[in-house]
Amino acid sequence: EVQLVESGGGLVQPGRSMRLSCVASGFTFRNFYMTWVRQTPKKGLDWVTIVNYDGTTTYYRDSVKGRFTISRDNAKSTLYLQMDSLRSEDTATYYCARLDGYRVVDAWGQGASVTVSS
Amino acid sequence: DIQMTQSPPSLSASLGDKVTITCQASQNINKYIAWYQQKSGKAPRLLIRYTSSLESGTPSRFSGSGSGRDYSFSISNVESEDIASYYCLQYVNLNTFGAGTKLELK
Repeated sequence: EVQLVESGGGLVQPGRSMRLSCVASGFTFRNFYMTWVRQTPKKGLDWVTIVNYDGTTTYYRDSVKGRFTISRDNAKSTLYLQMDSLRSEDTATYYCARLDGYRVVDAWGQGASVTVSS
Repeated sequence: DIQMTQSPPSLSASLGDKVTITCQASQNINKYIAWYQQKSGKAPRLLIRYTSSLESGTPSRFSGSGSGRDYSFSISNVESEDIASYYCLQYVNLNTFGAGTKLELK
């Protein structure tokens, strides 16, 4: 069974940093692109960033470029999201997700809540 | 960036009704659209990919169609377990989600 388990969410002050982790199991992690998707009640679902199989190619939505960094450790089947210079508008539930060979999001974690507030 | 305009934002249906949700892309997405169901407090679940291909386990009352920029998703004979929010996703160029449609019982 495919499982994605996020950790590392919580409350953080504006301007500070936070790192999310996602441990994958039930599939060969290194064979899949991975993504972080966030969701807010107001804005719905937004892809945040994507990483290729070995971490050498990454994509970011404009609003997080230069502040967020996606990375992966294939030996540990773990995906990371380093979030720096956090803003109130980054408050959301962050989902770790798998992209299949056609780049469809076909598996999701349970979500990690991130609240940016003073 | 490709934009996805999803409508309506909400739908009210009776059990047994047929409902339809539409997504219009800002450019031709060559049928690379998927549809997701999200129940309250849960992660989204993939229902349909490549416009009309049902995922394993997706009931046959769900269907999708479309081409070019215009796509639709339908549920025939709405059941109580279908009460959820639904999202489209284009995946021809990175990913863009639609804003979602909340399906409620009338």
